[in-house]
Amino acid sequence: SQTIHQWPATLVQPVGSPLSLECTVEGTSNPNLYWYRQAAGRGLQLLFYSIGIDQISSEVPQNLSASRPQDRQFILSSKKLLLSDSGFYLCAWSGQGVSNEKLFFGSGTQLSVL
Amino acid sequence: QKEVEQDPGPLSVPEGAIVSLNCTYSNSAFQYFMWYRQYSRKGPELLMYTYSSGNKEDGRFTAQVDKSSKYISLFIRDSQPSDSATYLCAMSVPGSYQLTFGKGTKLSVIP
Repeated sequence: SQTIHQWPATLVQPVGSPLSLECTVEGTSNPNLYWYRQAAGRGLQLLFYSIGIDQISSEVPQNLSASRPQDRQFILSSKKLLLSDSGFYLCAWSGQGVSNEKLFFGSGTQLSVL
Repeated sequence: QKEVEQDPGPLSVPEGAIVSLNCTYSNSAFQYFMWYRQYSRKGPELLMYTYSSGNKEDGRFTAQVDKSSKYISLFIRDSQPSDSATYLCAMSVPGSYQLTFGKGTKLSVIP
């Protein structure tokens, strides 16, 4: 069966510090991978998605970036965090083709920028 | 007008009650409809998925889609305290990689 791992679960970072969140998927090949942010009262916002290695699409311009160095690894980064980057970050995967609308989420990272 | 509207609640019901959760949408191109359940500080989990108008049942859960009215519902029968969570509706256009989510309805089932 497929599993998705996301870490860390919680993170407290000072403003201006770098960020690296990692996500890996097991039990499937060539998944679509996604980074979402969930802010209080604002719903789920798609940040990046990837349909293959080194194929990243950005949905929202910001100081975050994403990379996919391996088929089942997705990384969210920032060089300098802002207060507004605080939120609950979720990694997700979906299958290729007709089932790509079914998303399966990781357990999330609660990021607090102070 | 927002693409997806969902009553944020909170909704509090006694154990055993029937719960109705609803979303309306404006984009007639949406063809796939999903309900996710999210427990506090956890990632959402896919609960129901449907792509046609009508009802789809899975145990105590029934998803209903009315494309003519642009309205979807999730019914929970015999609600349990373990159903206490935030429920998110989501929908997508065929071929799109993006799901559009409602903001979620927080449900509490009181024993």
